[in-house]
Amino acid sequence: GQNIDQPTEMTATEGAIVQINCTYQTSGFNGLFWYQQHAGEAPTFLSYNVLDGLEEKGRFSSFLSRSKGYSYLLLKELQMKDSASYLCAVKGGSYIPTFGRGTSLIVHP
Amino acid sequence: DSGVTQTPKHLITATGQRVTLRCSPRSGDLSVYWYQQSLDQGLQFLIQYYNGEERAKGNILERFSAQQFPDLHSELNLSSLELGDSALYFCASSVSGEGSSGSPLHFGNGTRLTVT
Repeated sequence: GQNIDQPTEMTATEGAIVQINCTYQTSGFNGLFWYQQHAGEAPTFLSYNVLDGLEEKGRFSSFLSRSKGYSYLLLKELQMKDSASYLCAVKGGSYIPTFGRGTSLIVHP
Repeated sequence: DSGVTQTPKHLITATGQRVTLRCSPRSGDLSVYWYQQSLDQGLQFLIQYYNGEERAKGNILERFSAQQFPDLHSELNLSSLELGDSALYFCASSVSGEGSSGSPLHFGNGTRLTVT
């Protein structure tokens, strides 16, 4: 089976940088995704990592260490609209993305 | 707009009833996934179809069933509804079933089911 852990809630200040961690245990590994979900809306795709290292996409970066079962999502120059839930999802041996419970990020002025 | 269409947006029904949720995937996507999202459980995988065939099953109750039609749209049928079935039901689609690991899921806006 799979187990995915993320902090439940984080707060940060507008303009700052925040790092959201995700640790996982999985049978087989075929990639890790990060999604953003605003309350009551659909999750939207942010990033994908399958090899170790950092993937950068504008203000958002995602890092993966397969040996440690660890990933993080880094959000820079935070804006109020970044207040949302951030979901870590792992594709294991079954190729079906399994989602963590999400980290609710609150950005305040 | 993800290109995935789900209907209806909201559904309110009584315990014991049966409902059907509908999903049209993005143009060109062959794979459809159904997920259930409740406040205390997060996104739970229910079932996946690829080009009309059932590909994978998750924590789907026996009271629930799904199918994917030749035009690739999918329906999720929920029967003998219980209060605990109240949740957001998301459909997602992707280009492939499993070969391209990097294909992200594109989610519809969900159907909010309330069982009273």
